[in-house]
Amino acid sequence: AQSVTQLGSHVSVSEGALVLLRCNYSSSVPPYLFWYVQYPNQGLQLLLKYTSAATLVKGINGFEAEFKKSETSFHLTKPSAHMSDAAEYFCALYNFNKFYFGSGTKLNVKP
Amino acid sequence: DGGITQSPKYLFRKEGQNVTLSCEQNLNHDAMYWYRQDPGQGLRLIYYSQIVNDFQKGDIAEGYSVSREKKESFPLTVTSAQKNPTAFYLCASSPGDRSYHEALHFGNGTRLTVT
Repeated sequence: AQSVTQLGSHVSVSEGALVLLRCNYSSSVPPYLFWYVQYPNQGLQLLLKYTSAATLVKGINGFEAEFKKSETSFHLTKPSAHMSDAAEYFCALYNFNKFYFGSGTKLNVKP
Repeated sequence: DGGITQSPKYLFRKEGQNVTLSCEQNLNHDAMYWYRQDPGQGLRLIYYSQIVNDFQKGDIAEGYSVSREKKESFPLTVTSAQKNPTAFYLCASSPGDRSYHEALHFGNGTRLTVT
């Protein structure tokens, strides 16, 4: 079965601190993995995607994610949080013509 | 610029009325999707279409209907049979089977409130 689990529905960090948003997946075949960001009352925007070319994937706005097959994880990180990073983040998996989304993590950035 | 347009952004309806949400894309994508988003539940797939004149039920299709008469358009009708229709609805598209690694492109959503 295909599934995505995001640990922590809410994460709070101080401005300038490391951001770590966790994503674990379950897939019967090598997965395509994505991270999206959503600002209030808007659609989702692609941050980055993993398509098996490289395990460390760099995305927009300074975010990156590392694919770890042994841990079935695809955690999202950013070295230094900015106030504008406050949003909801979704991890997603693509297999067999369907996308599977995690339940989302809301990131709060404190000044 | 290419993208996905959803209209209207906000929609209010009385219980028992059918309502249709519009989704148009000019990305020349084959595949289109409708998702429902509720707080704390992520995105749930309602219907998807890989090609014109064909569509498949997603995980929560009951009470919804769609059509795909044109490649650019994938309207969603929320019928009176949908027990809890108030939600944020997102339309998305992707190139389709020929580009497995391509991500979804999303519209800005329609917030439907039924009272």
